[in-house]
Amino acid sequence: LAKTTQPISMDSYEGQEVNITCSHNNIATNDYITWYQQFPSQGPRFIIQGYKTKVTNEVASLFIPADRKSSTLSLPRVSLSDTAVYYCLVGDPNSGGYQKVTFGTGTKLQVIP
Amino acid sequence: NAGVMQNPRHLVRRRGQEARLRCSPMKGHSHVYWYRQLPEEGLKFMVYLQKENIIDESGMPKERFSAEFPKEGPSILRIQQVVRGDSAAYFCASSPTATPERNTQYFGPGTRLTVL
Repeated sequence: LAKTTQPISMDSYEGQEVNITCSHNNIATNDYITWYQQFPSQGPRFIIQGYKTKVTNEVASLFIPADRKSSTLSLPRVSLSDTAVYYCLVGDPNSGGYQKVTFGTGTKLQVIP
Repeated sequence: NAGVMQNPRHLVRRRGQEARLRCSPMKGHSHVYWYRQLPEEGLKFMVYLQKENIIDESGMPKERFSAEFPKEGPSILRIQQVVRGDSAAYFCASSPTATPERNTQYFGPGTRLTVL
């Protein structure tokens, strides 16, 4: 699995757009980039996944440059309920037929009123 | 449509006792994964199971830990002779299939094990 690097923590005011960047210099050709969100005392929740360019869903957008060595999770107009830890994972979902993932420490996002 | 269920949510054991953690995957999911999360750390993969088969247990300690996913019933993570270092949150995840291009895992709420 490719190693990822994310900021340990970020603060943002309510209503602002938040961008969390993840570096993955050793990403392989078949790797996808997946982001999870984890609230305290809960299991991680899938947010978004992408391979290249831009992916958008009802929760977030994921921007992936052409070289795929980094990715940026964009959360539009955050609210207090977006305070959580965000994990960036890189791996091949088809490798061995499953995803064996180890989550890093993630980015702790604190939304301030 | 119930999500992944784990029980108990909290488990307290004394050193040397056994801990049994249960996981019921989402309906229609036949793949189960167990993870351990220590305080202030990320989740670490332990074991991947399909019905009646252990596919990958490379993340599981060689001693005292075992996992099963029987044909009927929940998946069980069993820790024998618990020690204080086993205190952690244990998460279970399930997925419908292991091979789609964009496989994702759905996580349960976790079981918080405290060893006294």
